[in-house]
Amino acid sequence: KAGVTQTPRYLIKTRGQQVTLSCSPISGHRSVSWYQQTPGQGLQFLFEYFSETQRNKGNFPGRFSGRQFSNSRSEMNVSTLELGDSALYLCASSSPGQVSEQYFGPGTRLTVT
Amino acid sequence: AQSVSQHNHHVILSEAASLELGCNYSYGGTVNLFWYVQYPGQHLQLLLKYFSGDPLVKGIKGFEAEFIKSKFSFNLRKPSVQWSDTAEYFCAVNYGGSQGNLIFGKGTKLSVKP
Repeated sequence: KAGVTQTPRYLIKTRGQQVTLSCSPISGHRSVSWYQQTPGQGLQFLFEYFSETQRNKGNFPGRFSGRQFSNSRSEMNVSTLELGDSALYLCASSSPGQVSEQYFGPGTRLTVT
Repeated sequence: AQSVSQHNHHVILSEAASLELGCNYSYGGTVNLFWYVQYPGQHLQLLLKYFSGDPLVKGIKGFEAEFIKSKFSFNLRKPSVQWSDTAEYFCAVNYGGSQGNLIFGKGTKLSVKP
């Protein structure tokens, strides 16, 4: 089975711009979660989608949003980028029977200048 | 607030030494517990997990962890480390088990000297 894939792997944006990141889960997995990883804050949960519905949300501003499509692929969007948004964004998927056991993708490294 | 603490930020060991990494979580009822590992340049990989049953769980590459409910702890152990175990180790907790959000500790960087 192919693992979780994320595109693009690296991205450089300018402050004030917006960005969209994409995640394809493992085949058969319907839950997709997003995390932000930074040296200072570590790994922080952004949100989770299940069957195209946001089921859970972390403590991030409204500039961070996401969606999930009928094929379980997910996108996250960050609007009005700030320097502090520079981070590794990780996507994880899990099977319907064991939603807390998550499998992570390689991440998208976002740099905001 | 729910939280996970990893007390060791950086651990340096020689090959063949024994390893124990601490992880404590705040009370929150039913929990599912995980250890993930991130090797240099690689993505997070699941090392082991605890959902219920035997509190001593075995994972990949000779790692094991013990769930002690009374201490809210889930410490990771390995009897003899190898240079290839050099990586960052993350403890993670899912409260409730019904939704896919993990709360991670800040991680422990393990350096194994050959």
